[in-house]
Amino acid sequence: SQTIHQWPATLVQPVGSPLSLECTVEGTSNPNLYWYRQAAGRGLQLLFYSVGIGQISSEVPQNLSASRPQDRQFILSSKKLLLSDSGFYLCAWSARGPDTQYFGPGTRLTVL
Amino acid sequence: SQQGEEDPQALSIQEGENATMNCSYKTSINNLQWYRQNSGRGLVHLILIRSNEREKHSGRLRVTLDTSKKSSSLLITASRAADTASYFCATGGSGAGSYQLTFGKGTKLSVIP
Repeated sequence: SQTIHQWPATLVQPVGSPLSLECTVEGTSNPNLYWYRQAAGRGLQLLFYSVGIGQISSEVPQNLSASRPQDRQFILSSKKLLLSDSGFYLCAWSARGPDTQYFGPGTRLTVL
Repeated sequence: SQQGEEDPQALSIQEGENATMNCSYKTSINNLQWYRQNSGRGLVHLILIRSNEREKHSGRLRVTLDTSKKSSSLLITASRAADTASYFCATGGSGAGSYQLTFGKGTKLSVIP
């Protein structure tokens, strides 16, 4: 069966510090991968998606970036965090888009 | 931009009652999906209905889709306290190279024991 992992689960970072969130998928090959951000009490905002290694599409211009160094690994990064980067970050995968997506447990990021 | 818009934003019912949530969208879709999110957790896929389908059932869930009105509804019958969560609709685009889903802001359902 397929599983998706995200870490860390929670993170508190100062403004201006770097960020690296990791997502890995097990039990499937060549998945589509997605990063979302969810502000408190709001819906999901798609940040990045990837249909293959090294292929990243950005949906929203911001100071975040994503990379896919391996088939089942998706990383969300920032060189300098802003207060507005606080939120709940969710990684998801799908076998092929735009079909069912399977979500990880999320990372709660607080930027102080 | 967010395409799906759920209605109502919040819903509070007694255990045993039925809960109905609605979703409206704006553009052509390949499919429409409903997800559930417990507080502070990831989303869980509930049901997918394709654009050529009108109704689908899964356990206590019933989803309808009206493509002429660009709307969908999710009915949860005989609700339980454990159904308390936020429910999101998501639309999958029909264009070539459409890989992503567009989520609404969700309906927060509270089921009172």
